[in-house]
Amino acid sequence: DTVLTQSPALAVSPGERVTISCRASESVSTLMHWYQQKPGQQPTLLIYLASNLESGVPARFSGSGSGTDFTLTIDPVEADDTATYYCQQSWNDPPTFGGGTKLELK
Amino acid sequence: EVQLVESGGGLVQPGRSLKLSCAASGFTFSNYGMAWVCQAPTKGLEWVASISTGGGNTYYRDSVKGRFTISRDNAKNTLYLQMDSLRSEDTATYYCARHYPTGSFYFDYWGQGVMVTVSS
Repeated sequence: DTVLTQSPALAVSPGERVTISCRASESVSTLMHWYQQKPGQQPTLLIYLASNLESGVPARFSGSGSGTDFTLTIDPVEADDTATYYCQQSWNDPPTFGGGTKLELK
Repeated sequence: EVQLVESGGGLVQPGRSLKLSCAASGFTFSNYGMAWVCQAPTKGLEWVASISTGGGNTYYRDSVKGRFTISRDNAKNTLYLQMDSLRSEDTATYYCARHYPTGSFYFDYWGQGVMVTVSS
C-alpha cells in the first residue's frame, strides 16, 4: 500500500500562514486530496486532485504538489481552522490516507 | 442538501455479525459510487470498501475481503455494509461517504459516522 507521511502536529498563531506537508512512498501523480476533520465531526473535503478547491471552501485554503510531495496551505489561519488535516491518495490501489496533522492555534 | 445518515452500529462479540446502513437523501443516489471509511478510536482514516453506481462492481481493502460485503438498494437510497466474523481490530467509527462525481476514489460528502465496538 502507498504510505502517506504527515507531520503529527503544528501550532500557529491566527493570521499566520501555515503549510501542511504530505509525502507519499511512491508516486501518486496528482491524485492527492485533502480533508479537514474537526473534533467530534466527520471529515470534509477541502482540496481534490492536488490543487482544486472544493466548492464552498474558503480561498484561504490551497493545495499544490505532484508525484510524491504535496502541501496544503492555509493563509491566513483563523481560529476556526483548529482541526486535523488528512491527505488521501487515489492513484494507487487501495486508496490510503495519511496519519493526519493536528493544527492547533496559539 | 446532501445527507448521509448511518445506523446499525453497536457492541458485538468477536466472531459475530453486524449490518450497517446508510440512508442517503438530497441527491440522485443511483448516480454516485459510494464507500465506507473507518476510523479507529484516536486513529486516522482507513478506506474499507466501495461500490459502483449500479452495484455491479465492489472493491475492498485486503483486511476485510471475505468478511465484509458492501451493497446498495437504489430504490431505497440506502447503502449497506454487512460485517461478518468481526475482530477486535474492526472496532471503529464507520463513515458512509459519497464518491466524487468523476468516479474517482475520493469523497465529497460524509455521514456523521456510526460506532462499532467488537469486544467480549
